[in-house]
Order: sequence, then C-alpha cells, then structure tokens
Amino acid sequence: NAGVTQTPKFQVLKTGQSMTLQCAQDMNHEYMSWYRQDPGMGLRLIHYSVGAGITDQGEVPNGYNVSRSTTEDFPLRLLSAAPSQTSVYFCASRSGARITGELFFGEGSRLTVL
Amino acid sequence: AQSVTQPDIHITVSEGASLELRCNYSYGATPYLFWYVQSPGQGLQLLLKYFSGDTLVQGIKGFEAEFKRSQSSFNLRKPSVHWSDAAEYFCAVGAPGAQKLVFGQGTRLTINP
Repeated sequence: NAGVTQTPKFQVLKTGQSMTLQCAQDMNHEYMSWYRQDPGMGLRLIHYSVGAGITDQGEVPNGYNVSRSTTEDFPLRLLSAAPSQTSVYFCASRSGARITGELFFGEGSRLTVL
Repeated sequence: AQSVTQPDIHITVSEGASLELRCNYSYGATPYLFWYVQSPGQGLQLLLKYFSGDTLVQGIKGFEAEFKRSQSSFNLRKPSVHWSDAAEYFCAVGAPGAQKLVFGQGTRLTINP
C-alpha cells in the first residue's frame, strides 16, 4: 500500500536550473495538490487538480507549473529555480474534489536552491 | 476568504500532562475544521475533523477538539500526552463545498520526559 509517493526526497539546484518533482498516488483519487512548507508559514497551496486535464492555482503559484495527464500522476515543475523556492514540498491527494475528504500526504521533497 | 491562526509556535509539556493547542479561524459562517499531525520527517496525517453537529469531536490517538463558535476557536486537547506525541500540529479550515484547504502556521510540541 504505497499511498502517495514523491521523488526525489532531496534535491539541490543552482539558481536558474529547472527540475520536476514527481508525485504519484495509487488510490484512484480525483484530487491532487502541491503544498510548500516553510518555517513560520505553515503549508501553502501551490497548485491543485480535481481530475485529469484539470488544474488550478493555489495561494502561491508563481514560478511553478503543473499538469495532470493521468489520474495517478501530478508533477510539479520549476522552470527557473530561485533561492526563494528553497522549501519542503508535499504532494497530497484525496478521493473527492471537496474538502470533506481526508488528505493523504507524501513524505515530502526537500529542495535547496543555491 | 477564510484564514486560520495558531498563536503558539512551540509548546513544551511533560509526559503525562494534559495538552491544549489553540486554533482560531476567521470565516463568516461555520467552516469545516481539521487538525493534522506531522511526525518528524513525515507527511501530515488527519487527527480529526468537524463539519457540524456535536461540537466536541473525537479523533485518533486519544485526541479531541472542541468547536466554539462564540470564540471562533477549534482547540485540540489530550488528557495525558505520551513521548510519541512529539510532532508538529496543524489546524486547517475550509469553506463548506470548497476545494481548497487553508492551513495554519503549525505548533511544534515537545515532550519532556
């Protein structure tokens, strides 16, 4: 029972480099989302999706792109990394689009941008 | 738009002592409220949730929370903490029918032996 799987767990980038954080879930969940966690800021929503082909912006979308081509996968792309994107990133999914369902989180991906 | 505040960044309690973590929300009506826990190096796990009805809700791991409309609060409690309760706790709020959940800043709980 894998749940939500994120890769990589750790990554160091230089300013301007691009990368993709991968997220996969095996629970057939409609809803998937990306959060970033920063000290004193809690979790802030970056982007979310309520189904394949449907994505929308959260609180802090700038500098990030997403796509949802399958139900299982929801990658997060950084096109030109900046030091301000140093953070811990969490992918989360739930079975329905509405917030009544439980969010299931991955273990996180720690990104450092130099 | 809704928002949530956790006034305490860090709390330390002794093992066996009681615990109360504060959560205050801002929303025009009764929101949906949640508490999540994050153990070190892990993702978040749902402890409990409140949508309507009985204002005292029970969760996993012996936690409970009470919704108080008059105080716009949803405080988390446990009668006797265990060393394994050391973690970061997040309160979250959302509007009924919404898709997005807003998290508070988190409260880090340390347990003294």
